[in-house]
Amino acid sequence: QITLKESGPTLVKPTQTLTLTCTFSGFSLSTSGVGVGWIRQPPGKALEWLALIYWDDDKRYSPSLKSRLTITKDTSKNQVVLTMTNMDPVDTATYYCAQRDYYGSGSFDYWGQGTLVTVSS
Amino acid sequence: EIVLTQSPGTLSLSPGERATLSCRASQSVSSSYLAWYQQKPGQAPRLLIYGASSRATGIPDRFSGSGSGTDFTLTISRLEPEDFAVYYCQQYGSSPETFGQGTKVEIK
Repeated sequence: QITLKESGPTLVKPTQTLTLTCTFSGFSLSTSGVGVGWIRQPPGKALEWLALIYWDDDKRYSPSLKSRLTITKDTSKNQVVLTMTNMDPVDTATYYCAQRDYYGSGSFDYWGQGTLVTVSS
Repeated sequence: EIVLTQSPGTLSLSPGERATLSCRASQSVSSSYLAWYQQKPGQAPRLLIYGASSRATGIPDRFSGSGSGTDFTLTISRLEPEDFAVYYCQQYGSSPETFGQGTKVEIK
């Protein structure tokens, strides 16, 4: 059974750095083809793809946010960490992590429940 | 970056009716790497369709996907009460991956 869960602060101040952790079970990020991505959704708005990391440490970022994002993995802990610098109120959103198997569906088969991050002073 | 445009924005239908949702890409989607997700209020998205036309595990056969290149369609043959939700398309064939803005299927 594959599960993912996001954790991190619920409230951050403008200009601060956000660090979110995705802790997963039921798969290994050292398995060929496996990746974990981050997607966010502002309240009442659409999904926005942020970043993705693959088993071989290949990393992809949204061009519009690339300068502010860093994605890393800790295979031994079954975790993926996303950091976003210089947070702004427009970054208020529910942040999801999701798993994909490049050699399976290739899309995001499994999602975490999401964590709401509010940016406010 | 591939821009996905979904239409209509809102679809008002009754249970039992057929729903047809469109997703148009600004350029060709590589290898039909197009997915559809369903999202209900307060929940994470759920994968329905991948590869433009393959149903994900456990998805009822009333959901079907079609299309290629720049034009894709999600069809729900007969709407069940639990199908009223927001639907998103996503292309994952080229980086950056992108989502459409969503289509809300509401009860008429």
